[in-house]
Amino acid sequence: AQTVTQSQPEMSVQEAETVTLSCTYDTSESDYYLFWYKQPPSRQMILVIRQEAYKQQNATENRFSVNFQKAAKSFSLKISDSQLGDAAMYFCAYRRTNISNFGNEKLTFGTGTRLTIIP
Amino acid sequence: NAGVTQTPKFQVLKTGQSMTLQCAQDMNHNSMYWYRQDPGMGLRLIYYSASEGTTDKGEVPNGYNVSRLNKREFSLRLESAAPSQTSVYFCASSEWGLAETEQYFGPGTRLTVT
Repeated sequence: AQTVTQSQPEMSVQEAETVTLSCTYDTSESDYYLFWYKQPPSRQMILVIRQEAYKQQNATENRFSVNFQKAAKSFSLKISDSQLGDAAMYFCAYRRTNISNFGNEKLTFGTGTRLTIIP
Repeated sequence: NAGVTQTPKFQVLKTGQSMTLQCAQDMNHNSMYWYRQDPGMGLRLIYYSASEGTTDKGEVPNGYNVSRLNKREFSLRLESAAPSQTSVYFCASSEWGLAETEQYFGPGTRLTVT
């Protein structure tokens, strides 16, 4: 079974600085997807960024970027120019590329990292 | 376009009571999911439905039942609530086939069982 580990329960960063959240995962699959979700105090789960395992290029979305190390099974999220609105729980998630079993595109989540932004 | 909606947003139950959490999506997605979120444990899959009329167990199905009423709606029922079911429950939906398709989440239901 796949597992996702986030070893930093809490992180804090000064506003406008850069912070990196860590995520490691365990899988025997060669093809899969990785995601970072943001959960603000409103509880809404918001997709921040996704990475396809077969792509060597790291995904970026504006101030958010990932460092994907497939051999090390590591998938960290870097937030540049941190803003107060970035304060939230961040979850790393894994999904198999399971084309033989359509409909079960379930996500396996890590335990989350609570990010605090210091004004 | 409301996306994924859930009712109720909050609920308090006594041990042994039953209730149904409702979920609906208006994106014409085939797949729907129920997750629970507990402190320090992330989100865990309870049940999922790949299409209307089909349901399958996830990681933590004990104590729950589900119904895929139609393509839009997927309900989660607690027949006899227990304090261990105190949690935040999320419904999600996604389209088939392509693993990169995004899973869309509802706003969650905070359930307390006393």
